[in-house]
Amino acid sequence: DAGVIQSPRHEVTEMGQEVTLRCKPISGHNSLFWYRQTMMRGLELLIYFNNNVPIDDSGMPEDRFSAKMPNASFSTLKIQPSEPRDSAVYFCASSLADYQPQHFGDGTRLSIL
Amino acid sequence: KQEVTQIPAALSVPEGENLVLNCSFTDSAIYNLQWFRQDPGKGLTSLLLIQSSQREQTSGRLNASLDKSSGRSTLYIAASQPGDSATYLCAVLFDYKLSFGAGTTVTVRA
Repeated sequence: DAGVIQSPRHEVTEMGQEVTLRCKPISGHNSLFWYRQTMMRGLELLIYFNNNVPIDDSGMPEDRFSAKMPNASFSTLKIQPSEPRDSAVYFCASSLADYQPQHFGDGTRLSIL
Repeated sequence: KQEVTQIPAALSVPEGENLVLNCSFTDSAIYNLQWFRQDPGKGLTSLLLIQSSQREQTSGRLNASLDKSSGRSTLYIAASQPGDSATYLCAVLFDYKLSFGAGTTVTVRA
């Protein structure tokens, strides 16, 4: 069974550039989550979608961050413009429904120079 | 707001010794608790999930206990092996959100 698929695995770009991270959840899963992991703050929830609708985006750090889920099999997290402090590992996770176990992708390691 | 704490932050043991990892959380109104393993540069692998109504879960050499009323969980790994070296993360599902601890980094010396 295919798990959660994230792309790219690594991204290195210069400050000010637009960055787009992609996620394909497990087929049939109705909930999708974006997390960010840093040494200082650990793993933090950025945004949560249910049935393609953003339910909670209170963890999105600022207006430079945006996330979309145009259909049940694809989501994007965009940073524009990017800053060095955005450097982190970004994880996508999906679950069958609310309160079900979340399955994580391998993450995107983002470095902003 | 749910706060999750893991103690110790790092642990180094000789092969064969049993491991005890601790997790505490501030709000006992959790739906479930999960223990994850994370290898360097990798994603999270779920090890055990304990529902709020359960007291423990076991899988092979791993056993996790949950005391919801006191806000504590313990992960036991029996007869540790070098392959158990990784970071172990505790997470509680609270109001549909997973709140994570900072993790315990384990090194098992051969």
